Amino acid sequence: DAGVIQSPRHEVTEMGQEVTLRCKPISGHDYLFWYRQTMMRGLELLIYFNNNVPIDDSGMPEDRFSAKMPNASFSTLKIQPSEPRDSAVYFCASSQGRDRIDEQYFGPGTRLTVT
Amino acid sequence: AQKITQTQPGMFVQEKEAVTLDCTYDTSDPSYGLFWYKQPSSGEMIFLIYQGSYDQQNATEGRYSLNFQKARKSANLVISASQLGDSAMYFCAMREGIVDTGRRALTFGSGTRLQVQP
Repeated sequence: DAGVIQSPRHEVTEMGQEVTLRCKPISGHDYLFWYRQTMMRGLELLIYFNNNVPIDDSGMPEDRFSAKMPNASFSTLKIQPSEPRDSAVYFCASSQGRDRIDEQYFGPGTRLTVT
Repeated sequence: AQKITQTQPGMFVQEKEAVTLDCTYDTSDPSYGLFWYKQPSSGEMIFLIYQGSYDQQNATEGRYSLNFQKARKSANLVISASQLGDSAMYFCAMREGIVDTGRRALTFGSGTRLQVQP
């Protein structure tokens, strides 16, 4: 089975532009997570979904960020308008949600640079 | 307060030697799980090993083992017989409320960069 798929792998955009990051979780996984990794803040959870429903979005920085999961095989993280401080690696991860270990499988990440 | 603390920003180890990466955590939840992930220079996050708060034995997975000391709230990763391919960032993470299956968020530490020298 393919792992978590993210696109694009790299994104360079100008301040003020809209950015959309995409994620396809592993088939059959009920949970989907969005993380952000920066040197200053490390790895932090932004939001996660269970069966396409947002469960915890307390990590979403501000209204400029939004995430959707229209179906079990696709999620987007949108930043509008983007700012230089949004530059980071954004990871999507998924998990089955059926045992107590329930390890999360991470995608390769999207490296976002906002100039 | 930091929930996960990794006090070693960087570590060096000789090939074939064992190395211990430190992790301490802070939680008042009686049920929690501790995870270690590896992040090589290519950037992906790879799950290594898990320890549950109620597990009686320390977890082991191949060359990885967890030195779990519940009273001290520490969950150190031990890598035996280090290989050059072990050079990477290593992250400790915690999920609280593992009995309550509704809680799935992972909190990560700041990581330790391990370099294995030939």
